[in-house]
Amino acid sequence: NAGVTQTPKFQVLKTGQSMTLQCAQDMNHNSMYWYRQDPGMGLRLIYYSASEGTTDKGEVPNGYNVSRLNKREFSLRLESAAPSQTSVYFCASRPGGQSYEQYFGPGTRLTVT
Amino acid sequence: AQSVSQHNHHVILSEAASLELGCNYSYGGTVNLFWYVQYPGQHLQLLLKYFSGDPLVKGIKGFEAEFIKSKFSFNLRKPSVQWSDTAEYFCAVNGPHGGGYNKLIFGAGTRLAVHP
Repeated sequence: NAGVTQTPKFQVLKTGQSMTLQCAQDMNHNSMYWYRQDPGMGLRLIYYSASEGTTDKGEVPNGYNVSRLNKREFSLRLESAAPSQTSVYFCASRPGGQSYEQYFGPGTRLTVT
Repeated sequence: AQSVSQHNHHVILSEAASLELGCNYSYGGTVNLFWYVQYPGQHLQLLLKYFSGDPLVKGIKGFEAEFIKSKFSFNLRKPSVQWSDTAEYFCAVNGPHGGGYNKLIFGAGTRLAVHP
């Protein structure tokens, strides 16, 4: 099992450019999550998908969109990148039901200049 | 709003010293509690979790945590740290408020540096 995988690992964008961060899990988990990690602020939830076909906003959704493409894949899109979106982005998944622990991917380090 | 507080942002210890990292949460009701660890350059890994039962929970690598409901606390402990414990530690909680048990709320993290 690869667990949770993310691509790319690193990305540099110019202000205004768009990009999509990809996430996939091979654990047959129902729920998937996107977080951003900034120094001194811990992890903040951007969007999540409790199950295939549903998505909901988290704490900091502005400037982002998501797609739950199928049970395995959950992508995060930045339509017009801003320097404030410079961060490390983590995808996570959990089985669902009463299994609450989340499993994290390796992260994408994004710099917007 | 729900929140999780980690009291120490940076901790520096020598090898073999004892460790206690504080975590307090602001909910009432039934909660699930987690400690995650992030080693330098790596992703978050689960260290231990508490759902119910014995409030003293043992995790991997000799870590343990104690849930004290009356104090809304879930402090992480290790009797003797090693250089390899150098990492950032995150406390996280889910509960019946806000988005419910679907979501984890994370603390800001504590950076631990252990010197040989």
